[in-house]
Amino acid sequence: DAKTTQPPSMDCAEGRAANLPCNHSTISGNEYVYWYRQIHSQGPQYIIHGLKNNETNEMASLIITEDRKSSTLILPHATLRDTAVYYCIARSSGSARQLTFGSGTQLTVLP
Amino acid sequence: EAEVAQSPRYKITEKSQAVAFWCDPISGHATLYWYRQILGQGPELLVQFQDESVVDDSQLPKDRFSAERLKGVDSTLKIQPAELGDSAMYLCASSQSLDSRSTIYFGEGSWLTVV
Repeated sequence: DAKTTQPPSMDCAEGRAANLPCNHSTISGNEYVYWYRQIHSQGPQYIIHGLKNNETNEMASLIITEDRKSSTLILPHATLRDTAVYYCIARSSGSARQLTFGSGTQLTVLP
Repeated sequence: EAEVAQSPRYKITEKSQAVAFWCDPISGHATLYWYRQILGQGPELLVQFQDESVVDDSQLPKDRFSAERLKGVDSTLKIQPAELGDSAMYLCASSQSLDSRSTIYFGEGSWLTVV
């Protein structure tokens, strides 16, 4: 499985865009990039996923570089409720296709 | 919106006692996962089912942990005997299939404290 690297923590001002980077330089061609977030004491919440193209949904946008070695999750207008640990995961392409979590990025949205 | 249901939400048990967690996946989801999350760390996979069959249980401590999904729907994770180091959140998740495009959805988790 491809290993991902994320900064341990980031701050963002409320109302501004939060841009969370993720490096996955060893990702293989058929491994999807998934993003989840986890608010304290709750289960991980699915945000978005993508393979090659940029993706957008009601929660966020996912920008994947052309070489697929890195990606950025964008929360366009961060609110205090977006404070959470954000996990970037390169989903296994093996038979089990599991999610292997790393340490994630603690995003703190400041008032 | 359909959710993965887990119970109990919180459990305190004494060392050496047995404890069980129950999970009801989203209806129609064939793949079910149990993860364990120790405070301050990311979730770690314990066991994965496809319908009633185990796909991967390589990280399940089989001397004390067991998991079953007899009818391919709901699932139970059991620990016997519980040890202090088992204190963690136990997460259940499900997806429609093993396809990498099939989103995995998590429940709210079951917090276990072993005293």
